[in-house]
Amino acid sequence: DIQMTQSPSSLSASVGDRVTITCRASQSINGYLNWYQQKPGKVPNLLISAASTLQSGVPSRFSGSGSGTDFTLTISSLQPEDFATYYCQQSYTTPPRFGQGTKVDIK
Amino acid sequence: QVQLVQSGAEVKKPGSSVKVSCKASGATSSDYIISWVRQAPGQGLEWMGRIIPILGIANYTQKFQGRVTITADKSTSTAYMELSTLTSEDTAIYYCARESGIYCSSSNCFGGYFQYWGQGTLVTVSS
Repeated sequence: DIQMTQSPSSLSASVGDRVTITCRASQSINGYLNWYQQKPGKVPNLLISAASTLQSGVPSRFSGSGSGTDFTLTISSLQPEDFATYYCQQSYTTPPRFGQGTKVDIK
Repeated sequence: QVQLVQSGAEVKKPGSSVKVSCKASGATSSDYIISWVRQAPGQGLEWMGRIIPILGIANYTQKFQGRVTITADKSTSTAYMELSTLTSEDTAIYYCARESGIYCSSSNCFGGYFQYWGQGTLVTVSS
């Protein structure tokens, strides 16, 4: 199985900050990497598919990049509604494993 | 717009089984691939398995192999996840999710992303 490791596990940031979350796969997954946002008590929401394809309705302050084993999710200017937990997920092979999550909270 | 509506919360005894349903409505197709993902309290997301109606097969992650069965009823656009021999460690929210953009052969699936999610079903295992 391919293991997914996110860093950091948590971070504190202020509104307006640029935030970067990293996801590393234990082997190459080409560009088969998705990002999700989950707010407390809510269902996960797909933000980005195939490493960099922004989903419809997702604000443009979110962006994704990377290929091979290293990927990043960037929030260019953190907004109050962005405080949540973010998960990466590989879809290169079965099982489609998730990272452990990165919790973004208010500084 | 696709909607996935899951069955309600369950409380089960250790050693018993639970069966959760997930009914699709909206722009549906009986051939869509449905996965099941669970989330224990305060923990991350854990993929359990998927049903691939067009191939007539299900994939399971090794952790749950032999204990989970995922099926689908094409006539009602409903998927089911049954988990047996429950322990307290199975207490979690169970989500169904439709995988979009996915390509499957008999040996592997790749490229998918969980675009639509059910509302989640809380399963509590307690004596």
